[in-house]
Amino acid sequence: KAGVTQTPRYLIKTRGQQVTLSCSPISGHRSVSWYQQTPGQGLQFLFEYFSETQRNKGNFPGRFSGRQFSNSRSEMNVSTLELGDSALYLCASGSGTSVQETQYFGPGTRLLVL
Amino acid sequence: DQQVKQNSPSLSVQEGRISILNCDYTNSMFDYFLWYKKYPAEGPTFLISISSIKDKNEDGRFTVFLNKSAKHLSLHIVPSQPGDSAVYFCAASGNTGNQFYFGTGTSLTVIP
Repeated sequence: KAGVTQTPRYLIKTRGQQVTLSCSPISGHRSVSWYQQTPGQGLQFLFEYFSETQRNKGNFPGRFSGRQFSNSRSEMNVSTLELGDSALYLCASGSGTSVQETQYFGPGTRLLVL
Repeated sequence: DQQVKQNSPSLSVQEGRISILNCDYTNSMFDYFLWYKKYPAEGPTFLISISSIKDKNEDGRFTVFLNKSAKHLSLHIVPSQPGDSAVYFCAASGNTGNQFYFGTGTSLTVIP
């Protein structure tokens, strides 16, 4: 099976702009989660989508939003970018049908906000 | 509010010796724990997991130990190899859904 793919791999934006990141999960997986990784902060949970519905949400401002399509692909949008949004954004997929399951990560999108 | 903590940012070990990475958690509702390994410019790769009904799980050179009373888990790598040099994250989830909580990671360096 193909793994989790994320596009683009790298992005440079300026403050105030918005950005959309894309994630294609492993075939058959219906759950997609998004994480932000910054130095010293580990992976911070943004949100999880399952069957086109947001099922869980972390403690991020409303500038961070997402959606999931019927084919389970997911997009994450960040509006009004701030310098602090510079990070590695990771998505992970899983079946979403068990509370004890493994999530598999994509390679991430490195976002730099200038 | 960091519910999963890895208090050692870095660890150096000689090749062939044992590497022990530690992780503590605060939420007693967590019942599933995982370890991921991450190389630079790549996403985390799943290594091993353990359910709270067990206290040990082994997969080749990797063993995870869970001490529920102490809210502590550890990852043992024996023998350590230079290719094991990476950042290791522990993660936990509870019965409230598919939200995973990650530690801040431990950078392991295995010295040849």
